Amino acid sequence: AQKVTQAQTEISVVEKEDVTLDCVYETRDTTYYLFWYKQPPSGELVFLIRRNSFDEQNEISGRYSWNFQKSTSSFNFTITASQVVDSAVYFCALSENLVNNYGQNFVFGPGTRLSVLP
Amino acid sequence: DAGVIQSPRHEVTEMGQEVTLRCKPISGHNSLFWYRQTMMRGLELLIYFNNNVPIDDSGMPEDRFSAKMPNASFSTLKIQPSEPRDSAVYFCASSFGGGPWDEQYFGPGTRLTVT
Repeated sequence: AQKVTQAQTEISVVEKEDVTLDCVYETRDTTYYLFWYKQPPSGELVFLIRRNSFDEQNEISGRYSWNFQKSTSSFNFTITASQVVDSAVYFCALSENLVNNYGQNFVFGPGTRLSVLP
Repeated sequence: DAGVIQSPRHEVTEMGQEVTLRCKPISGHNSLFWYRQTMMRGLELLIYFNNNVPIDDSGMPEDRFSAKMPNASFSTLKIQPSEPRDSAVYFCASSFGGGPWDEQYFGPGTRLTVT
């Protein structure tokens, strides 16, 4: 079984603050992928990043950065100098690469609602 | 290039009626996914296709749900008969790769209300 936990249900910050969204996952597979998706108020999900289990390098893309730590089974997402447009629900997701004969191999976390106040 | 197209965007129907949701994936994408989003259960993968073939339908709630992909540019998700608990936003997504381990592009969703 696989599981993705996003313990922070809602976070509110003031614009320009840094904010970190936590993601902890569980899997028995050695090969897997982790994702972050953004769901703005418009409702459409937007891909942000994919990371495979063999690549623990941190990633930075503009104001976004991701910290992948297999030792703690975490894949945290940090927004630096947050902006009002960052307000959205952010989902962490896990996919096992092994295509089992049957059963789910992709699961979203419950999401964290981020509100950035002006 | 157009993104994933879903229709209708909103659907209101009465319990017991048949509902058909439609999806046109991004041209050239090999995989197509159907998701359901509710407050109670979050985002759930219902089924996905690769090269028009259903690969994993273990997320389909019950026999009232069925999905087809007759060609590379069209898929349907049908609920027959519909029940109030089917009310949700249904998303379609597509990707270049073979499964959900690839970057997915989502459509705008269909908001279904069953009364």
